[in-house]
Amino acid sequence: EVQLVESGGGLVQPGRSLRLSCAASGFTFDDYAMHWVRQAPGKGLEWVSGISWNSGSIGYADSVKGRFTISRDNAKNSLYLQMNSLRAEDTALYYCAKANYGAILWGNYFDYWGQGTLVTVSS
Amino acid sequence: DIVMTQTPLSLSVTPGQPASISCKSSQSLLHSDGKTYLYWYLQKPGQPPQLLIYEVSNRFSGVPDRFSGSGSGTDFTLKISRVEAEDVGVYYCMQSIQLLYTFGQGTKLEIK
Repeated sequence: EVQLVESGGGLVQPGRSLRLSCAASGFTFDDYAMHWVRQAPGKGLEWVSGISWNSGSIGYADSVKGRFTISRDNAKNSLYLQMNSLRAEDTALYYCAKANYGAILWGNYFDYWGQGTLVTVSS
Repeated sequence: DIVMTQTPLSLSVTPGQPASISCKSSQSLLHSDGKTYLYWYLQKPGQPPQLLIYEVSNRFSGVPDRFSGSGSGTDFTLKISRVEAEDVGVYYCMQSIQLLYTFGQGTKLEIK
């Protein structure tokens, strides 16, 4: 059974940093691209970032480019999102999502999602 | 960026009746490889999204056959042939023809 478990969310002040983690199990982690998708309270879905199976291709939404860094550790079956210079508008539930194959430039869909970890940016 | 526009933003349907959601993209989602990268998700209350349809018209594993997808280029439709109570939630279309994937605003389905 595929499982994705996010952690690392919490309350943080504007301008500070936070690192999210996603522990994956139930599939061959290093065969698949992985993504972060967020959802602000009461709002829709926003793709944040994606990383290919071997970390060779990485992409970011314009809203987080230069502030967030995605990474993965295939030996630990884990995905990460380093979030720096956090803003109030980054407040959201952050989902880890498994892609349908290993590359990310096109053609990904998200076949499994975690339950999400809540990030609240507020003073 | 490709903008995805869904209509309507909400609909109320009597159980057993059909429902239809439209999704239009600002650019064609037909890739040079011949595939069209348009997907549909359902987010039930309090849950993460779940994949319903991939590449316009293919039902994901376990999705009931009352759900169907159609369309091409920039215009797409999700249809539910007979709405059931368990279908309530918010439906999203998504494109992945280019990196910087984008979602529609969502369509909230409620039961009358």
